[in-house]
Order: sequence, then structure tokens, then C-alpha cells
Amino acid sequence: GQQVMQIPQYQHVQEGEDFTTYCNSSTTLSNIQWYKQRPGGHPVFLIQLVKSGEVKKQKRLTFQFGEAKKNSSLHITATQTTDVGTYFCAGRSSGTYKYIFGTGTRLKVLA
Amino acid sequence: SAVISQKPSRDICQRGTSLTIQCQVDSQVTMMFWYRQQPGQSLTLIATANQGSEATYESGFVIDKFPISRPNLTFSTLTVSNMSPEDSSIYLCSVENWDRAYNEQFFGPGTRLTVL
Repeated sequence: GQQVMQIPQYQHVQEGEDFTTYCNSSTTLSNIQWYKQRPGGHPVFLIQLVKSGEVKKQKRLTFQFGEAKKNSSLHITATQTTDVGTYFCAGRSSGTYKYIFGTGTRLKVLA
Repeated sequence: SAVISQKPSRDICQRGTSLTIQCQVDSQVTMMFWYRQQPGQSLTLIATANQGSEATYESGFVIDKFPISRPNLTFSTLTVSNMSPEDSSIYLCSVENWDRAYNEQFFGPGTRLTVL
């Protein structure tokens, strides 16, 4: 079945440093979403990417969808303590209604 | 956006018993999803619940163990039956919002289940 892997599994950064998490799907995706889950909270939607090679920005966050629509990345510039949490990608394949969540990257930001 | 509530928020149960988790949405939605998230892990889809039809279960999850009801467009329940410690997890319901150009999922706050 479809698998969605993320690397790294954990990342500790000093506040102000940049952070990137990578998401790789075993199958071609029709679209990909990113979610953030704070400790003790539930996943919260960040963004959706649909087009091959698409790049979207939200303030310090930059999201990319690969040309082959099998991988994606989330880059955070100048991390802040409020960025702490686990970041999940979730991919949807053509012809299906469901999303498969990636393994997640847990980010810790040291002040 | 959709506001989702879940009951109970947490519970501690004895093995062999069953627990029913309720999910209430503040608007009518077609599809509701039930996920399981074990501590420190990702989300695993258990089943999709459509109103008026039987739920669709993912590989590894069966109706006898996780019966789901969907009596109307704003409510669903998930029962965890004949529980064992391996069922200890967070159970989340979610819905998709199709009002915008994209179909983001909104999640409930989750039910933290501990089975002794």
C-alpha cells in the first residue's frame, strides 16, 4: 500500500536557525497537505499543494511540491519557540478520497 | 471552518470492556474520518463514515472491533470493543471542509484512551 515517509524524525534547533522537513511518497500524489500538531493538541491544517513544482509561502514557512508529485518539503526560516510541534504531510492519490499521513517530524526549538 | 467536539476527552478502561466515542460537528458534512494516533506516532486512518451507509474500514481494522455509527450529517460514534492494552491510543475524528478551493481536514480534540 501507499506509504509516506518523512525525514528527519526529530530535529532540535536553536531559535533563529532554519528548519526543513522532507516528505516522500511511494506513489504519485494528486495533492499534498501539511499539518502542524502542537504537543498535546490535534493536527491543524497549514496548506495544500496541488500542482507539480508548486511553491507556496506563509510568512516564514515555504512549502514545495516536487516535479514528480511524489515528494514535498516544508522549510521554516528563523525558527521561533512557537514553531515547536510535529509537522505532518498527508498525501492523497488520484481516485481516492483519503489522505495517508506521513511519519511526522518533531521539531524542538531551543531558546 | 468546522468546530468538532469529542466525548469523552479521556478515559481509563479495563481490558475486555468497550468504549463509545462521540464526535459532534457544528455543520453538516458528508464524510467523517476516524483516526488512531499512538503516543509519538503518526495518524492511522481507521475508517470513513458516510451518513446512510456502512463505514469503510482500512486494512487492519474490522467492524466487529471498531463499530461505527453515522446517524446524521453532524454526528458519529466509534466504539472500541473488547479492549486490550494495545488499544491504548488517542482517537481522533475529522471532517473535510469543501467550502474553499481546498479540502482541509478539521480535527476534533481527540479522546485519550488508556486500557489497563
